[in-house]
Amino acid sequence: QKEVEQNSGPLSVPEGAIASLNCTYSDRGSQSFFWYRQYSGKSPELIMFIYSNGDKEDGRFTAQLNKASQYVSLLIRDSQPSDSATYLCAANTGNQFYFGTGTSLTVIP
Amino acid sequence: DAGVIQSPRHEVTEMGQEVTLRCKPISGHDYLFWYRQTMMRGLELLIYFNNNVPIDDSGMPEDRFSAKMPNASFSTLKIQPSEPRDSAVYFCASSLLRSRQETQYFGPGTRLLVL
Repeated sequence: QKEVEQNSGPLSVPEGAIASLNCTYSDRGSQSFFWYRQYSGKSPELIMFIYSNGDKEDGRFTAQLNKASQYVSLLIRDSQPSDSATYLCAANTGNQFYFGTGTSLTVIP
Repeated sequence: DAGVIQSPRHEVTEMGQEVTLRCKPISGHDYLFWYRQTMMRGLELLIYFNNNVPIDDSGMPEDRFSAKMPNASFSTLKIQPSEPRDSAVYFCASSLLRSRQETQYFGPGTRLLVL
């Protein structure tokens, strides 16, 4: 079992819709969780992080964490074609970062 | 700050040749990570350093891979001899502290093709 698992997709949503990206992790000792966006041919860039149960909002992005279920999600409201990318979920266990394999998102104009 | 700097950006070599990838972390960052990314396996951590000391190299695929960090501003990842299955994008990332809010900053990557 991988430390961090994501549905590889591809996920397609129409422009203006809500995109929902999901991630599960296996190490209950994981302290914090990060969402990165990676455009094709580019390096990952941080979107947001979360370490407390509940929701954290930043503009059109909302991260959700449920430690009991070991589940992290990222919601993108009012999706734009520029949001089309691969989204990587990562967990910080305090000793190491573990990345999921990423979910490919396509926003259709 | 210029961010994490990696060189070369692209490398094409023949099987059996030695390949050396270079990384300059963000000044002041005390953690440095080397990753490999492929379509099949995603982003894999190869090794990471804290204060120039290798902490965990369990991700290094085999003895053909080695990494060094002689000082706080420079690290190398060497593959010798290289094989076609080593073809991937290699990222270097750096981080300031291992606090729970601290993220990693990635370099632009080195795209390696071994023929």
